[in-house]
Order: sequence, then structure tokens, then C-alpha cells
Amino acid sequence: DADVTQTPRNRITKTGKRIMLECSQTKGHDRMYWYRQDPGLGLRLIYYSFDVKDINKGEISDGYSVSRQAQAKFSLSLESAIPNQTALYFCATSPGTGGITDTQYFGPGTRLTVL
Amino acid sequence: GDSVTQMEGPVTLSEEAFLTINCTYTATGYPSLFWYVQYPGEGLQLLLKATKADDKGSNKGFEATYRKETTSFHLEKGSVQVSDSAVYFCALTHYQLIWGAGTKLIIKP
Repeated sequence: DADVTQTPRNRITKTGKRIMLECSQTKGHDRMYWYRQDPGLGLRLIYYSFDVKDINKGEISDGYSVSRQAQAKFSLSLESAIPNQTALYFCATSPGTGGITDTQYFGPGTRLTVL
Repeated sequence: GDSVTQMEGPVTLSEEAFLTINCTYTATGYPSLFWYVQYPGEGLQLLLKATKADDKGSNKGFEATYRKETTSFHLEKGSVQVSDSAVYFCALTHYQLIWGAGTKLIIKP
């Protein structure tokens, strides 16, 4: 079984709809991250959480919110989806033990299309 | 601020060719450097990393050396295979993980 899972894997929605992307991990890691990937732009950090009570904005948090329901679960919400939020979204985890050398472990991604 | 610049792709090579994907960075102090790989339809996974100057990271036949004097961390492989076709991301971590834009590699049989 995959260590980091994301649901759904693909989603098509309409402008103005509320969308939730879910991430679960069985790695026992404290740190979790949400990224979006756009062609030619690499990955950009949306939000990150170092533990259940610690949530921080990343580079591009506007239009997004998150919830860390448990150590193993980290959800990303788009309150009112817009077309320029069409992208590939990745969840990642890291153990937090390596400091700045921490390796991140990625889920398979969710492809979101906003019409 | 900190940044990572990678060569633009796609890079197209024949099987068994020598591979270099350039990566340069801008950062104060001593960041750690990473190469991640994304195979088609999958998430990213760590390929190799180096945590201090002159360190060489290696994995699956790929190598990269942390060159502080040239602020570079170029990825190399002596003989590529079709299965190496993927998108390769260079990244650095200092206070947070900073990603390059990715380089798509296509290997033809």
C-alpha cells in the first residue's frame, strides 16, 4: 500500500464550487505539505503543517485553506474554485528529524480542472 | 531570495547516451541540495541529495556534486535508459524547500 495517498486522483468541477482534496499518510510523519504544480513553474508551496496544531501559509495560499484533522490527515480546500486553480496538486510528508535536510515523500497527485 | 535555475527541457537523448542536466542556485549560507524525479503519472521521489560543499550524491547510476564555488548541482548519468524518461527537479532547502521548474527528459530507444 502507498505511504501517502490522495483522493480524489482526478476531479473536474465548475467555477464557484467548493472542493476538498484529501491526503492521508501511514509514514508516521509530523510534517505535511500541499503543493501545486503548473507546467514550467515547478512546485509551489500552498500550506504546510509541522504538527496538528501548527499550520503555516506557503508561497501561494490565497484562495486555499487547510485542515489538519490528525497527524495522518491533511486536507486542502478551495472555497470557491476558479479556472486558474486548474493544476496538479501534491501532498507530501517529511519526518522533521533531518532539519533542513529532511526528505519529502510525495503522494501520487490530484489533477484538478476548474471549468 | 533563494532560487533554483534548471536547464529548460525537454532534453531528448538516445539510449546509452551521457546525460547532464544543469542546475544552479542562489542562496546565502550553506543550503542542502536535492534532485527529485517524477515518473509519468506518479508523484515526486527523492533521487539523491548533498548536504555540504563537495559532497557527491548518487543513486541508480545518477550523480551530482555540490559545487559551492560555481553554485551548481548538475545531474549526470553515464548511460541513460528508456526507463529514465521522467521529469527531474532540482531543489534546495535552507529555511524552506525551493524548487526549480523541472526538466523533462525523453530517452529514445
